[in-house]
This record gives sequence, C-alpha cells and structure tokens, in this order.
Amino acid sequence: QSALTQPASMSGSPGQSITISCTGTSSDVGSYNLVSWYQQHPGKAPKLMIYEGSKRPSGVSNRFSGSKSGNTASLTISGLQAEDEADYYCCSYAGSSTLVFGGGTKLTVL
Amino acid sequence: EVQLVESGGGLVQPGGSLRLSCAASGFTFSSYWMHWVRQAPGKGLVWVSRIDSDGSSTSYADSVKGRFTISRDNAKNTLYLQMNSLRAEDTAVYYCARVGKKWELDYWGQGTLVTVSS
Repeated sequence: QSALTQPASMSGSPGQSITISCTGTSSDVGSYNLVSWYQQHPGKAPKLMIYEGSKRPSGVSNRFSGSKSGNTASLTISGLQAEDEADYYCCSYAGSSTLVFGGGTKLTVL
Repeated sequence: EVQLVESGGGLVQPGGSLRLSCAASGFTFSSYWMHWVRQAPGKGLVWVSRIDSDGSSTSYADSVKGRFTISRDNAKNTLYLQMNSLRAEDTAVYYCARVGKKWELDYWGQGTLVTVSS
C-alpha cells in the first residue's frame, strides 16, 4: 500500500496548461483503469474531478482531462484560472477492494 | 441532494478509543459501498477503510488493521468507524465518502477532526 507518486508542487500562469503526473505500479495504476482525481481547496473536502481515468462527472469543467499510460496517470488542466489553485490528488484502485492515494500536488496559479 | 455529515471527533489520549459516525441522506444509503479517508494536518489524503452495501465485507489499510472497525446501520443511514488503541499518528481529519461503480469517491462529508494527544 505505498502511496502513488505525484510532484509536490507545480505552477502555471493564467491561460496556460499544466499536466500533473501520478506514478504507481503494475499492482495499481498499471493494472486497472480506475484512477480518479480530486481537487481540494484549503479547509474544504475533496471534490471528484476525474474518474475511470478520463471521465468527468457532471458539472466539472471540460478544462480538466485525464489520461493513463502504463503505470502513470495524468491530469491536465487547460486554460488555467485563479480558481484552479488548489491541491490535487490522484487515487487508484489497488486490488482486494482497497484504494491508494497519491501524495498530492499543490498547484499555484501565478 | 446527497449529504454526508461526520461527527464524533475530538481529543483523546494515546491508547484510547473513539467512534466516528457519518449520517447519510439524499440517496439510498443501503445501495452504496462507503469509505473512510483521513488527512493528517498539512498532509495528504490516505485511504483508511471500506465497507460493502450490506456490511458483510470490509477492507482496511495496513496502518489501522486490527485497531479500527468499520460498520454501518442501513436502518439509520449511518456509517461508523470504531477506533481503538489510538496513536498520535492517527491524528487527522476523517472523511466519509460514497463510492461509485468505478471506485470513484463521488461524495464526501466535511470531515471530523480526531486529535490523539496526552
């Protein structure tokens, strides 16, 4: 149950695109197309942004997209906006009815 | 509207016990698996435990196995987390979350803070 690996921090200017990576193993990310991404603003509960690798829940902006290649999943935010500044976490099904989260990425919009 | 409201957090001494509750509304609680996720102060999210829809199957993170017990009362639309033998490293905000068909945590509560300290 080792945490997935995410960059600790990233930054971008308004209007730019950024991609957050999430690296796991062949036991989690690599074995299942069951990666989800969560946005968390300070003092708030996490919010689901992407599920099943690339699907967006109703109400989530199409500026958010997800993908996966091998043991690495990615979250891309296009057209960065000030409101996107938050912490982002990936999460993968890890077998045996368990989940594993990434360490989180703090996104700063410059 | 789906709502999840946690309660039961507080200050407890090392070695003590605490029971968290999560009251669910706005959906058919008995049809969904549920999870607990925690977040230590200033740290990331960590998966803790999960229970299936009728409470017959459970899973735990290695860090809490043997000390924590997840359960539910579908008649009361309530999820529980019994925490025993608490340690300082269990200090965290504990969130309950509903899980969808693709293992996505689609709704979260606001969290309840557990502080383990003497």
